[in-house]
Amino acid sequence: GDSVTQTEGLVTLTKGLPVMLNCTYQTTYSPFLFWYVQHLNEAPKLLLKSSTDNKRTEHQGFYATLHKSSSSFHLQKSSVQLSDSALYFCALSDGGRIFFGDGTQLVVKP
Amino acid sequence: DMKVTQMPRYLIKRMGENVLLECGQDMSHETMYWYRQDPGLGLQLIYISYDVDSNSEGDIPKGYRVSRKKREHFSLILDSAKTNQTSVYFCASSSGGKDTQYFGPGTRLLVL
Repeated sequence: GDSVTQTEGLVTLTKGLPVMLNCTYQTTYSPFLFWYVQHLNEAPKLLLKSSTDNKRTEHQGFYATLHKSSSSFHLQKSSVQLSDSALYFCALSDGGRIFFGDGTQLVVKP
Repeated sequence: DMKVTQMPRYLIKRMGENVLLECGQDMSHETMYWYRQDPGLGLQLIYISYDVDSNSEGDIPKGYRVSRKKREHFSLILDSAKTNQTSVYFCASSSGGKDTQYFGPGTRLLVL
């Protein structure tokens, strides 16, 4: 069945450094991939999404490229800020329901 | 303004009591969802509704039921609440599986 794997449960970085949060997926359908971000005591909200192979999608300094050949949709940012500390979910839709990964907690230190 | 609302925001119940969580959306979205999230964990899908009276079980439906009589309103019911149902419950809506999900602010439920 469809699934999403986020390998890192916790990523801790110093402000100003680059970050990559891993996301791989499994589906037999044409995939729609999403990244959601959830700040402490808030609801998840969409960060970015894509269904186009090999096209970079960007929003608020974050970017990701869907690679269907490797079933990946890693989230990257060139320089993290303190305000980027949050829980990040990768999600997959096959056009029906959506499947969320377990989430990666990003902690940015001064 | 696109909005998903949830009531109540905080709720304390005793084990065995019935619980009603309500969700509303003003975007005329066909699809609505109920999730629960436990501390430090991900989102677990309880139920999904594709439209009025068209509901399907998610990954953890046991102990829950839902009702959707109007497109803009989706209720989650816990009949005889259990302590292990203490959690944060999120409602979400979207115009379809391929589209952005808009989440409500969540309901924090404590079952004693």
